[in-house]
Amino acid sequence: DTAVSQTPKYLVTQMGNDKSIKCEQNLGHDTMYWYKQDSKKFLKIMFSYNNKELIINETVPNRFSPKSPDKAHLNLHINSLELGDSAVYFCASSSRQGANEKLFFGSGTQLSVL
Amino acid sequence: DAKTTQPTSMDCAEGRAANLPCNHSTISGNEYVYWYRQIHSQGPQYIIHGLKNNETNEMASLIITEDRKSSTLILPHATLRDTAVYYCIVRPPQGGKLIFGQGTELSVKP
Repeated sequence: DTAVSQTPKYLVTQMGNDKSIKCEQNLGHDTMYWYKQDSKKFLKIMFSYNNKELIINETVPNRFSPKSPDKAHLNLHINSLELGDSAVYFCASSSRQGANEKLFFGSGTQLSVL
Repeated sequence: DAKTTQPTSMDCAEGRAANLPCNHSTISGNEYVYWYRQIHSQGPQYIIHGLKNNETNEMASLIITEDRKSSTLILPHATLRDTAVYYCIVRPPQGGKLIFGQGTELSVKP
């Protein structure tokens, strides 16, 4: 079974549309993350949730809204998509904060905005 | 968070040890050194982490210098599947966001 799964794997859409990416983890972890990897391959954290509560919110446009219906899910909704939103989005989860925290990443969602 | 410096790319022959260096000269006394890797078209994967002592697990060994200003990740017998971008990350003990740098692109060649 896949530990951290994201859907869809590929998403092609037009500018101005609204889209969602779903993430589920079956590891029993309390903390989940969204990362963005741009065309230059830099990985940047966007959001982090712990027990459904937002704990990290980087400088991300408010067109991006994460939603955590329960500990096992963290979905990313994006409104009014722009060309610059094209990237690979990775979901991750971890069991605890602190020195021994290990993140487990999903396989990514490649978003292409045309 | 302390900044890390890694070579942009390295090559390694299959079956040989791959030694990936990382400089973190501004590391604080309680910050940990983490290594992750990202194989092409996959999400990053945790490898190992340490504070002061050398660490070893089933994937790799981590050697941290006594002054903690640099470290080396060792893959003892590199295989073609170890071809990936390797990220060295410094992180405080309380956790917080994992900040990825440019990493080292390791190419393992037959």
